[in-house]
Amino acid sequence: DAGVTQSPTHLIKTRGQQVTLRCSPKSGHDTVSWYQQALGQGPQFIFQYYEEEERQRGNFPDRFSGHQFPNYSSELNVNALLLGDSALYLCASSFFSGDNTEAFFGQGTRLTVV
Amino acid sequence: SQKIEQNSEALNIQEGKTATLTCNYTNYSPAYLQWYRQDPGRGPVFLLLIRENEKEKRKERLKVTFDTTLKQSLFHITASQPADSATYLCALDPLYNQGGKLIFGQGTELSVKP
Repeated sequence: DAGVTQSPTHLIKTRGQQVTLRCSPKSGHDTVSWYQQALGQGPQFIFQYYEEEERQRGNFPDRFSGHQFPNYSSELNVNALLLGDSALYLCASSFFSGDNTEAFFGQGTRLTVV
Repeated sequence: SQKIEQNSEALNIQEGKTATLTCNYTNYSPAYLQWYRQDPGRGPVFLLLIRENEKEKRKERLKVTFDTTLKQSLFHITASQPADSATYLCALDPLYNQGGKLIFGQGTELSVKP
């Protein structure tokens, strides 16, 4: 059983460009959340998708957008990249059962903006 | 303001000793608190969840306590081993059991010396 998979693992982009990161959730999971983790910090919640809709959003600008597909996979898009967007981007999947369950994280995508 | 804070200093202990990590929060009333382990360059891995009505939870060499009056959780690793060296993150759901976003502390780096 594959866990959460993210692609690519590493990415280098130039300031002002756009980037798309991808996530496939753990089998049986229907909810995908995205987090940004700066070096030496804990992950910060960007948004969560369930039933192909954005269910919750953290304190991130509109440059950060996402999508969830019918197969529950998800994309994170970041427009007009800034140097400060350099971070590890984590995808977490869970099952929206109404009960509190743990999140399963992927290995992350390391984004470097130069 | 709402905050979740962990020991800011790295924790260095000798193999075989008990490691104790602290997580304090303010202005949250979480239904539960979670602990994760994160190795360098990897995504967090879920370890334990403790609910607001539970005082203590154990899993093998791990023990978590949760004091909603003190607004604090303690995470213990007994008989620590060098393989336990990692960053440990605490996280809570700020929306009280709505299975949504997690707010993470900044993490505590644990180093276990042989």
